[in-house]
Amino acid sequence: DGGITQSPKYLFRKEGQNVTLSCEQNLNHDAMYWYRQDPGQGLRLIYYSQIVNDFQKGDIAEGYSVSREKKESFPLTVTSAQKNPTAFYLCASSMPSGQTGELFFGEGSRLTVL
Amino acid sequence: KQEVTQIPAALSVPEGENLVLNCSFTDSAIYNLQWFRQDPGKGLTSLLLIQSSQREQTSGRLNASLDKSSGRSTLYIAASQPGDSATYLCAAYMEYGNKLVFGAGTILRVKS
Repeated sequence: DGGITQSPKYLFRKEGQNVTLSCEQNLNHDAMYWYRQDPGQGLRLIYYSQIVNDFQKGDIAEGYSVSREKKESFPLTVTSAQKNPTAFYLCASSMPSGQTGELFFGEGSRLTVL
Repeated sequence: KQEVTQIPAALSVPEGENLVLNCSFTDSAIYNLQWFRQDPGKGLTSLLLIQSSQREQTSGRLNASLDKSSGRSTLYIAASQPGDSATYLCAAYMEYGNKLVFGAGTILRVKS
């Protein structure tokens, strides 16, 4: 079935460590996005990519990095520079870009910093 | 600042009741508005997408309306069921800044 796969579902990290969250889609979508969700708040955009080998910062990019080497994959690295990384991370894709396209989400990855 | 507000924050209704969830946005210049459902610990599932040129969209027991001039959208759920219990989020794609802005969601509980 077509969809978006995020892994791992749960991840624990010690302070000072970098971790990478995986996002793979087989929907043939050009655009991919990473959001962060905290309790009681709306989703906030971290990074987005509208085409392979290109990506832009969202509203809260500090302490995060991404790459888009393949159309299907958009991994997110949470670096040690991110001051409050404990959150639920959601990957999404759309085709075409978000102006007219419907957004589809993965099941999310919950990161906890110990 | 572009904001999307959802009222109420939480809602509890008996099974079978018809209900309305509200979404308002501060900037009427939007490309589209999308409604999502989120179950606890899960990702978001798209329910309905309304383009700026449309007034409403329907899917089964769900009907979403859009009034750009007043900056409002509503999600109508007919004959609610316990399985409808979830958090419902709306998101507006803003022309200015070319970005999607999410509301904080309405937590719905349908009691059997």
